[in-house]
Amino acid sequence: SYELTQPPSVSVSPGQTASITCSGDKLGEKYTSWYQQKPGQSPVLVVYQDTKRPSGIPERFSGSNSGNTATLTISGTQAMDEADYYCQAWDSDTVLFGGGTKLAVL
Amino acid sequence: QVQLVESGGALVKPGGSLRLTCAASGFTFNDYYMSWVRQAPGKGLEWVSYISTSGSLIQYADSVKGRFTISRDNAKNSLYLHMNSLRAEDTAVYYCARYRRLGYYFDYWGQGTLVPVSS
Repeated sequence: SYELTQPPSVSVSPGQTASITCSGDKLGEKYTSWYQQKPGQSPVLVVYQDTKRPSGIPERFSGSNSGNTATLTISGTQAMDEADYYCQAWDSDTVLFGGGTKLAVL
Repeated sequence: QVQLVESGGALVKPGGSLRLTCAASGFTFNDYYMSWVRQAPGKGLEWVSYISTSGSLIQYADSVKGRFTISRDNAKNSLYLHMNSLRAEDTAVYYCARYRRLGYYFDYWGQGTLVPVSS
C-alpha cells in the first residue's frame, strides 16, 4: 500500500527558513496538500495542489512537489508557526496522510 | 462562513455502536464531497471515509471497512458516520471535513468529537 513518510521533528530558529519533507513513490505525480495543527485545535489547510495557498494563509508558507518528495517551506519562521504539520495525498481512491512533523521554533 | 459542527461522541464499550453527526452551514452542502478523518490521542491524522455529493460514491479506509457506514442527508445539510463493532483502537477524535475531490484536499474542518472505546 502507498505510504507518505515525514521526519518526526524539525527545528528552526526564529526568522529562518524551515523545510518539512514528505516522501512517497512518484509523489510528484500526485497532488499534495499540507495541514497545520496546533495543540488542542483542528487541522488547518496551509497548502493545496502542491503550491497553492488558501486565502488567509501567510505568504511565508509555500510548497513544492517533484520526483518522490513534496516540501513545505516556511520562510521567516515565527514562533506562532510552531505546530504539527501533516502532508496528504490521494492514491487509488483513498486518502493518505503522512505521520506528521513537529516543528519546533527555538 | 463555512461551519462544520460534529456531535454524537460518547464513551462506548468494545463491540458497541455509535452514530456521529456533522451539521454543515455556510455553503451549498450538496455541491461538495464530505469526509471523516480521525486522530487517536497523541497520534497523527487518519482518513476514515468520504462520500460524494449524491452519496453514490463512497470509500473507506481498510481499518473501518465493513464496520463503519458513511451517509448524508442533503435536505438536512448533515453528514453521518455509523460505527459498529467498535474496538479500543477506534478511540479518537473524529473530524468532519469538506473534501475537494478535484484537488484531493480538505479545505474546512470541524472542531471534532471524541469517541472513547473502553470497558
